[in-house]
This record gives sequence, structure tokens and C-alpha cells, in this order.
Amino acid sequence: QLVESGGALVQPGGSLRLSCEASGFTFSNYWMTWVRQAPGKGLEWVGNIQPYGAEQSYVGSVKGRFTISRDNAKNFLYLQMSSLGVEDTAVYYCIKSRESFHYAPGLWGQGTLVTVSS
Amino acid sequence: DIQMTQSPSTLSASVGDRVTITCRASQNIDEWLAWYQQKPGKAPHLLIYKASSVENGVSSRFSASAFGTEFTLTITNLQPDDFATYYCQHYKDYLGGFGQGTKLEI
Repeated sequence: QLVESGGALVQPGGSLRLSCEASGFTFSNYWMTWVRQAPGKGLEWVGNIQPYGAEQSYVGSVKGRFTISRDNAKNFLYLQMSSLGVEDTAVYYCIKSRESFHYAPGLWGQGTLVTVSS
Repeated sequence: DIQMTQSPSTLSASVGDRVTITCRASQNIDEWLAWYQQKPGKAPHLLIYKASSVENGVSSRFSASAFGTEFTLTITNLQPDDFATYYCQHYKDYLGGFGQGTKLEI
């Protein structure tokens, strides 16, 4: 199971950290991904992180502003967001790969809403 | 960046119909293609991975295929619960990208 939290209303230029608590599986064995969906729009891949957190990848629009990290001891995935703009308003989902140690699509959390507005 | 072009954007059908949704990648993605179903207010649900493998628990009415950079999702004998929005996603080279979505309407 994946449960996201931390979504909030934040002003443009602000920062926010999202969390995703994982349970029911060996968290440290799985690639994790963040995907977002602006209101009424399609899905946008944000980035991912390897099982042991050594490497992350990001979509161009968030590079340098967003950082994905994980705490395998606590079973948490994080998305640190800074320099937020109105275009970052979206529901943010965390996703667990369906296969251990392989990057693949899989199970989604329920999402958490981030609203960037003055 | 790999672009995913999904068509049609909207598809009207009836219960019992067979429908096909297409997704085209801008470059080779091998078999690294997934299909999701999303209902309003809910998270997407994985249907297909590795281009044609059906996820556990997904109805056999869902199938998918690939030919080069063109991928198709087929749903047979449409049921009321199938009316939703469908997305393709590539996951080549440890990255990701989605098609624009297809809204399947009654």
C-alpha cells in the first residue's frame, strides 16, 4: 500500500515536501516513481529513484527544482519541491514498480493535491 | 525525449462493443509500454505491462499488441465499468512518458 501526504496550498516561489509511506512490501527492493496530474489534464511523469537511492531521473520541467529521495529504513519516499509555479498545481502520485529491482509500472497511491496560488 | 501520441482522444462506444486504442512512440521503445485505466477522482490502474502482458487480476477482455513503434489496446465485449480514460506510458531507459489519454464514452 502507498499513502501520499503533504499536499497543500502554497504560494508561487514556495517550497513543499511530499511524502509517500509504503507498507506491505520490502520497500528497499523497489524502484519508486512520482507522476502528477494537473486538474482536468493528463498524466505527467515527474521522476524516479533507484531502490537504494543512488540515482534519480527527472522530467526536464522539474530538473533543478524537484528532488526525489527515500528513507528505506522508514519506508518513505519523498518529493522535495522548490521554486513552485502555478504550472506545478496537480495531484501527485507515488508509484511502486511491479517487480523488485526492475523499473516497471505498477501500483499507485491515492495521490495528494498540491495547489500553487497566491 | 520520447513522445507518445495516443489516438483517438475520445471514443464513443456501446456495451458489448469491441474497441481499439492506439499509441505511437516517436522512437524505438522496444516492449517498454504500459496501459492504464483511470476513472474520475481515482488513481490510474495498471492493465498491461511490457506491451502485451496482462496484469494480474485484469479481465481477459483486455489485450494489447505491438508492431514496431505502434501499440494497441483492445477491449472486447465492453462492460459499463470499462467506460473510463485510458493512458499509454513508455518506460524505456529508466524514464517515462505518457500519451494524452483516450476517454471512452458511452
